[in-house]
Amino acid sequence: AQTVTQSQPEMSVQEAETVTLSCTYDTSENNYYLFWYKQPPSRQMILVIRQEAYKQQNATENRFSVNFQKAAKSFSLKISDSQLGDTAMYFCAFMKPRDNYGGSQGNLIFGKGTKLSVKP
Amino acid sequence: DGGITQSPKYLFRKEGQNVTLSCEQNLNHDAMYWYRQDPGQGLRLIYYSQIVNDFQKGDIAEGYSVSREKKESFPLTVTSAQKNPTAFYLCASNKGGLDTQYFGPGTRLTVL
Repeated sequence: AQTVTQSQPEMSVQEAETVTLSCTYDTSENNYYLFWYKQPPSRQMILVIRQEAYKQQNATENRFSVNFQKAAKSFSLKISDSQLGDTAMYFCAFMKPRDNYGGSQGNLIFGKGTKLSVKP
Repeated sequence: DGGITQSPKYLFRKEGQNVTLSCEQNLNHDAMYWYRQDPGQGLRLIYYSQIVNDFQKGDIAEGYSVSREKKESFPLTVTSAQKNPTAFYLCASNKGGLDTQYFGPGTRLTVL
């Protein structure tokens, strides 16, 4: 079964600095998708970034970028120029391509999250 | 505006009562999902539906039931058989397959 591990329960960073959140996963699949979601205090889950495993190029979205290491099964999120509004829980998620019966395609498996605090 | 709505935002129920959480989407998405979130935990999948009139159990379906009579709606019933129902419940939807899931604002259920 696939698992997602976020080893940093809490992190803090000074405003305008850069921070990296770690995520590792375990799968025997070759094709899959990885996501970072952000959950601010409002508790709304917001997509930050998506990475397709077949793409070698790391995904970027403005100040957010990932370091995708497929062989190492690592998917870290880098936040540059941190802003106070980046304070949130960050969840790494793995999308199951399919299960043994052909179903479950598109189901997400989440890590336990990293609580990021951006300090002024 | 297109989006996913969940109601109510906060819900209180007495132990032993069934309660139904609403999830509606106007994104024309085929697939819908229900997740449960507990403190210090990631999201766990309760039920999902990839098409109208069809749904499958997720990882923690015991004590829950769903229906999918309309494409836009995927209500979740928390039954009295659910041993620890107090949690934050999130609904999500997507076009199906490997499309990105988008989430509603959530419902906080507290059982007294």
